[in-house]
Amino acid sequence: GAGVSQSPSNKVTEKGKDVELRCDPISGHTALYWYRQSLGQGLEFLIYFQGNSAPDKSGLPSDRFSAERTGGSVSTLTIQRTQQEDSAVYLCASSLGGQGWTYGYTFGSGTRLTVV
Amino acid sequence: GENVEQHPSTLSVQEGDSAVIKCTYSDSASNYFPWYKQELGKGPQLIIDIRSNVGEKKDQRIAVTLNKTAKHFSLHITETQPEDSAVYFCAAPSGGYQKVTFGTGTKLQVIP
Repeated sequence: GAGVSQSPSNKVTEKGKDVELRCDPISGHTALYWYRQSLGQGLEFLIYFQGNSAPDKSGLPSDRFSAERTGGSVSTLTIQRTQQEDSAVYLCASSLGGQGWTYGYTFGSGTRLTVV
Repeated sequence: GENVEQHPSTLSVQEGDSAVIKCTYSDSASNYFPWYKQELGKGPQLIIDIRSNVGEKKDQRIAVTLNKTAKHFSLHITETQPEDSAVYFCAAPSGGYQKVTFGTGTKLQVIP
């Protein structure tokens, strides 16, 4: 497709379960970002991938969070042993170019995660 | 790291009036400032950006101004319409300029 695709769009999980969130970036975009948006709040940086470089994991809130990007394309964000405070909208964005931020981000519609 | 402050947090205007949202940043070396619009249930969408070699940029009813000396930049929307109602985020480069830090957002309501 022409945009950034995220799946699922909604996910309800029980506390303590693991979840996987998927992001398909725009073809040819070398930079991929994950952000988290809690209800009515701003955008919290989680992790950044650029080409074959080591990812910038500086925003991951705990070791329960991890992400990978296979073949420089699809990315999966995994949250282990989910907690209620993990409930939020998880947004993925991709960008063109080495210094991707200068080209602006294209965001997906997000995955709304609810931990009950 | 970069610190981006955004004001106001909420803004209500009558249809046809202008709206102004302001942001300040801390890193004097920053040179790229995008603005995003987020509609309900959607991801943010880039609407306009400005680079430090210009002081103003316009695109139809929206404009962005940049004051590098004071380290602040503003979004101006003229002749507001109901479809302009959304949350607006400013941003500035951070983390070695490989990503951006977002402001806290402004919820704009345009009253018909």
